[in-house]
Amino acid sequence: QVQLVESGGGVVQPGRSLRLSCAASGFTFSSYGMHWVRQAPGKGLEWVADIWYDGSNKYSADPVKGRFTISRDNSKDTLYLQMNSLRAEDTAVYYCARDGRSGYSSGCPDYWGQGTLVTVSS
Amino acid sequence: EIVLTQSPATLSLSPGDRATLSCRASQSIRSYLAWYQQKPGQAPRLLIYDASSRATGIPARFSGSGSGTDFTLTISSLEPEDFAVYYCQQRSNWPLTFGGGTKVEIK
Repeated sequence: QVQLVESGGGVVQPGRSLRLSCAASGFTFSSYGMHWVRQAPGKGLEWVADIWYDGSNKYSADPVKGRFTISRDNSKDTLYLQMNSLRAEDTAVYYCARDGRSGYSSGCPDYWGQGTLVTVSS
Repeated sequence: EIVLTQSPATLSLSPGDRATLSCRASQSIRSYLAWYQQKPGQAPRLLIYDASSRATGIPARFSGSGSGTDFTLTISSLEPEDFAVYYCQQRSNWPLTFGGGTKVEIK
């Protein structure tokens, strides 16, 4: 069965960096696009970024552009989110999710991890 | 950026009732709409993709319809486990966007 396990969250000061990881299993990771989606406490869902199956294309939302970088290591079945210059408004649970179609990112996440909480606070 | 507006914000119903949730897009998104269910403390679960296709393992009481700018998620007869928050999401244009959610609560 598809499993996605996020890690790397925690409390970080504004302006600092953090790297999230998402370990995938139960499917051929190198065949699927992947997404990061976040949810601020008590709020709705916000798409953050996605990456194609081979890492050749990446897209990110305007609020994180230039600060966050999505990447993947297909040899380790792992997705990453490098977050720099963190702000209070980045505080959220960060979910990784598999895209519903193999190959490029179709834009429809199907399986989601349980999330990791990032708190940006001094 | 395509804005998705969900209504109502809250729906108060009883088990066995029919639930009708609406999602309106700020411009045409053809049929590129998905619906997710989220329970407290849990990750979202994909229910419907491409407006009307049920995801794997989703019960038949969940159905989706619509195209263009107006979409509907219908739960034909609410089960106790269906009380949750529901989000729509479009994949017509990047950035991908979600609606603000509809909470289905027990009346």
